[in-house]
Amino acid sequence: SYELTQPPSVSVSPGQTASITCSGDKLGDKYACWYQQKPGQSPVLLIYQDNKRPSGIPERFSGSNSGNTATLTISVTQAMDEADYYCQAWDRSTVVFGGGTKLTVL
Amino acid sequence: QVQLQESGPGLVKPSETLSLTCTVSGVSISSYYWSWIRQPPGKGLEWIGYIYNSGSSNYNPSLKSRVTMSVDTSKNQVSLKLTSVTAADTAVYYCARGYSPGGGGGMDVWGQGTTVTVSS
Repeated sequence: SYELTQPPSVSVSPGQTASITCSGDKLGDKYACWYQQKPGQSPVLLIYQDNKRPSGIPERFSGSNSGNTATLTISVTQAMDEADYYCQAWDRSTVVFGGGTKLTVL
Repeated sequence: QVQLQESGPGLVKPSETLSLTCTVSGVSISSYYWSWIRQPPGKGLEWIGYIYNSGSSNYNPSLKSRVTMSVDTSKNQVSLKLTSVTAADTAVYYCARGYSPGGGGGMDVWGQGTTVTVSS
């Protein structure tokens, strides 16, 4: 079965840029999505079709996808960005989630 | 404004069937794909499956033998049944709106989730 691998944790200082990676075999040939989940809340779609932002998502969230790696980039990271982040892709009409990355802003 | 509300028993006994309903408001369920996703305590997201307009569905291979999804267009509801549950099925269960497989559209509206505990 298809697998997506994320680092368990990433740390970033406020105002700096955070990058969260998601790796999978030929992931660049598929579309990647990204979700943010804060404690006790439902996930929120941040990025779809590799690099598109739904209405209401700040411009400082961006995405890219090439080769075997998709990347979520958060520029000018804020304390409110501290959360779990999940990547997601489709494989043969099934949804696959990455294991999630906990972003710590310190 | 599209809203999803999951409902169902919060406690299910081992070996029994978990049954949940997702009530959709603000949009017709006929136009979208509807997924169920679960999250065990302290763990990540696991996709259970999707259903589209009654005729098309697909399930996580690891759960396929135990899962059935259905839609009731008259009530604008999507339902999930998971048979032969064990403690490993204890999780928060979410329903979410999505788009055609492979289209990359993501799941853009999620319910608040409902906690299901499997215990005798």
